[in-house]
Amino acid sequence: QVQLQESGPGLVKPSQTLSLTCTVSGGSISSGDYYWSWIRQPPGKGLEWIGYIYYSGSTYYNPSLKSRVTISVDTSKNQFSLKLSSVTAADTAVYYCAQQQLVTQTFDYWGQGTLVTVSS
Amino acid sequence: NFMLTQPHSVSESPGKTVTISCTRSSGSIASNYVQWYQQRPGSSPTTVIYEDNQRPSGVPDRFSGSIDSSSNSASLTISGLKTEDEADYYCQSYDSSNQVFGGGTKLTVL
Repeated sequence: QVQLQESGPGLVKPSQTLSLTCTVSGGSISSGDYYWSWIRQPPGKGLEWIGYIYYSGSTYYNPSLKSRVTISVDTSKNQFSLKLSSVTAADTAVYYCAQQQLVTQTFDYWGQGTLVTVSS
Repeated sequence: NFMLTQPHSVSESPGKTVTISCTRSSGSIASNYVQWYQQRPGSSPTTVIYEDNQRPSGVPDRFSGSIDSSSNSASLTISGLKTEDEADYYCQSYDSSNQVFGGGTKLTVL
């Protein structure tokens, strides 16, 4: 059973860069069958897809966030990471990492989520 | 880009059947698979339907999915409602490589 665990600071100051890492266990991030995604959920609101990375390093980002997002992968550590620059209070959310099936585009395994608050 | 529109909330009594709709704003609903996720308070989403109408193992057959090209929408139907079904439900689909979630529907079982 694949497990994903997000880690990173829970508080980020406005205008700074939010950085999170997702550690994958029980499966290999180098499997060619999956994308590795970041999704966020502001308090009391719905889900928003941020972007994904393939084990080869290919990425695709939500057009609305593309200018501020970088997703990278470290296959040696079985981890992938998110950087979101120039954050504002609107970026306050629970951030989830998830495994996404390549063929069906289903998000089949999710991390528990981590709350990141943007505040001075 | 397209949007997926869901009703904000629905409610129904235990034992009854409820259907949640998900309407695609542009492009054909049949062009790309639709998934449905259940999210209980304080928990991560879990898949209840994938590939329009497939149930993951462990999801009861009370949950079913369908698409309707005439209305360009997908539907999640839950029959024999139980109080444990009370949750938020999200549809999800994609276009090229862009992933889109519906705004979510809060299901109340009262």
